[in-house]
Amino acid sequence: DTAVSQTPKYLVTQMGNDKSIKCEQNLGHDTMYWYKQDSKKFLKIMFSYNNKELIINETVPNRFSPKSPDKAHLNLHINSLELGDSAVYFCASSQTEDGYTFGSGTRLTVV
Amino acid sequence: DAKTTQPPSMDCAEGRAANLPCNHSTISGNEYVYWYRQIHSQGPQYIIHGLKNNETNEMASLIITEDRKSSTLILPHATLRDTAVYYCIVRGRGTSYGKLTFGQGTILTVHP
Repeated sequence: DTAVSQTPKYLVTQMGNDKSIKCEQNLGHDTMYWYKQDSKKFLKIMFSYNNKELIINETVPNRFSPKSPDKAHLNLHINSLELGDSAVYFCASSQTEDGYTFGSGTRLTVV
Repeated sequence: DAKTTQPPSMDCAEGRAANLPCNHSTISGNEYVYWYRQIHSQGPQYIIHGLKNNETNEMASLIITEDRKSSTLILPHATLRDTAVYYCIVRGRGTSYGKLTFGQGTILTVHP
């Protein structure tokens, strides 16, 4: 069983479109995150949710809206996609601060 | 969170120990040292963490200097599959629900 699963793995879309990336964890963790890794390979946190409550929002544009229907799911919806949104997006979860479990990533390409 | 400094790249022969250094001279008393790695195209993987005592698990050992200003991650018998980017992260516990600040990391290449 995959602990943190993201769908889709690859996403190619045109500028201006709206798209969603889904994330599910079966570890029973209370906290989930979205990270973005750009073309220069820097990993940066975007959002953090604890028990469905938004905890961290790292000055991400309003076009990005996370949604957590329950503590096992954290989805990322992106409106009006721009070229600069092209990146790999990683979902992660944690229960304690001992270590995160990351998903395998979603490679988003905006053309 | 304290800033860390790592060498951009290192090489290691397969079967030998890989020693990856990290400098965190501005670390404060309640901050832990975490190590993660990212194998090409995969999500980061947690390796180990520690406060001031040396730590060991099935993946690696973590040696933290007495003044806590630097640490070394040791992979005792490196394999080709250990080729990855290794990130040293310093973070306080009980803060911000686990925000990790990644630097550039060290690209470790294990060669035959």
